[in-house]
Amino acid sequence: GAGVSQSPSNKVTEKGKDVELRCDPISGHTALYWYRQSLGQGLEFLIYFQGNSAPDKSGLPSDRFSAERTGGSVSTLTIQRTQQEDSAVYLCASSLANQHTEAFFGQGTRLTVV
Amino acid sequence: GQSLEQPSEVTAVEGAIVQINCTYQTSGFYGLSWYQQHDGGAPTFLSYNGLDGLEETGRFSSFLSRSDSYGYLLLQELQMKDSASYFCAVRDRGTRGKLIFGQGTELSVKP
Repeated sequence: GAGVSQSPSNKVTEKGKDVELRCDPISGHTALYWYRQSLGQGLEFLIYFQGNSAPDKSGLPSDRFSAERTGGSVSTLTIQRTQQEDSAVYLCASSLANQHTEAFFGQGTRLTVV
Repeated sequence: GQSLEQPSEVTAVEGAIVQINCTYQTSGFYGLSWYQQHDGGAPTFLSYNGLDGLEETGRFSSFLSRSDSYGYLLLQELQMKDSASYFCAVRDRGTRGKLIFGQGTELSVKP
C-alpha cells in the first residue's frame, strides 16, 4: 500500500478481554515500531523490529503485552486481559533500515477499555 | 539510557518566529529528527540533522550541536496551521536504530 495501515482504527473492549492490533508497514520497510500515546502525552516506545526480530522489547509495559512480526511485513500487538490503563492510541511506524531515513506513521488504533 | 527534554508548551502569535529546544542524553545516536503532530493525527516527519549545523526547509529550520547535546527547531512566519505538537527524536546506535522521542512541545499560534 501507499502508507502504513493500522486496523482497527477504533476498538472498544471490556476489561479482561484480549485484543489484537494490526500494522501493515510500507512495502520494503524493514524497521517497524510500536508506540503508545495517551491523550495529550508523548510517544511511549513499546517495541521495535528489524525484519522479524526485535532488538528492543524494553518498552512493553507488562507481560500482558506481546508483539510479533512475520515475513518481515505485518506486525500484530496483542494485549491480554486488558485493563483500563491500557486505553490509549497505539501507533505503528515503519522505515527503511538506513539509520538516516524518516519514519512513516499509521493513523493509529484508538483502544478504549471499559 | 537515552532521554530527550523539550519544553511542554510554547505560545506565539501569527507571523512571529519561535524556537523549540531539545536537549538530549544518549550514548550514541545517528542524528536528530523533528516530527509534527496535529490533534488527532499521525506524527509526520519535518527534518533531520545528521551533522552539526543548520538545515533549512522552507519556513522551518533545524539545528544540531553534538558537542552541546542540543538541537532546536525554528519556525518562521508562523501561521495558525502550525499549531500542533512538535517532537524531537533520535535513532539510537546501541539498539540498531531504535527511534526515541521526546515528550513533545505543544505550540499554540494566536491571531
